[in-house]
Amino acid sequence: DAGITQSPRHKVTETGTPVTLRCHQTENHRYMYWYRQDPGHGLRLIHYSYGVKDTDKGEVSDGYSVSRSKTEDFLLTLESATSSQTSVYFCAISVGGESTDTQYFGPGTRLTVL
Amino acid sequence: AQKITQTQPGMFVQEKEAVTLDCTYDTSDPSYGLFWYKQPSSGEMIFLIYQGSYDQQNATEGRYSLNFQKARKSANLVISASQLGDSAMYFCAMRELTFGNEKLTFGTGTRLTIIP
Repeated sequence: DAGITQSPRHKVTETGTPVTLRCHQTENHRYMYWYRQDPGHGLRLIHYSYGVKDTDKGEVSDGYSVSRSKTEDFLLTLESATSSQTSVYFCAISVGGESTDTQYFGPGTRLTVL
Repeated sequence: AQKITQTQPGMFVQEKEAVTLDCTYDTSDPSYGLFWYKQPSSGEMIFLIYQGSYDQQNATEGRYSLNFQKARKSANLVISASQLGDSAMYFCAMRELTFGNEKLTFGTGTRLTIIP
C-alpha cells in the first residue's frame, strides 16, 4: 500500500462544467503524476509534479491543469469538461532512487462527462 | 521516442501452467527501466517487477520473472504455476532514464484469463 488516495472515486458531470480531482499521499514523496486510461491506449501521462508549485506537462495535457500547493496533495482540474475526457484517471507517486524509482498508483477515479 | 508493444490482446491459460506475456520496446536511450503492472477487474494498478537496462541478471519476484533480452529489445513477463487470481490485465511499461524524463510509457496490455 503506497498510501495514495483519490477523490472522488466516481463522478458524472455535464459537458462544460469544471471538475477537480484530488490525489493525496501520506509519505511526502516528491514526484506525483496524473494519468488517464482509455481502451486501446494503456495509460498516458497528463501532468506531473516534482515539488510544491513545480509541475510539467505530459503527453496529453491539453484541456487539463494541475496544482500542488502542499507536498501531499496534487490536484487535476478540467476547466470545461468535454466528452473526450471521459476516462479513468490514476494518480501515481514515484518511490526509490533516481535510476530505479518505481511508480505506484492510486485506486483511480472514473469520470463520465455527458 | 520510447515505445512499448504488447502483441497479445488476450490469452487463456490452464491453471498451474506457466505463462509468458510478450513485451517489446523501442528506445535509443542506453539507460532505461522496464516495468510490469497487473490490473485486476477491480481496477487498481499493481506493480509487479522491474528490470534495469544495465542489470546483468533477469529480475525475479516470487512467481514472476522477467525474461530480458536486450539485443532483441524484449522484456517478457513469465508467471510460473499460474493461479486463478492471476486473471487480470497486464501492462508492460518503460521509462528512459534521461535526466528530466518522467514519462512512463505503457503498452496496450494483455488480458490474461486462467482456466480452472
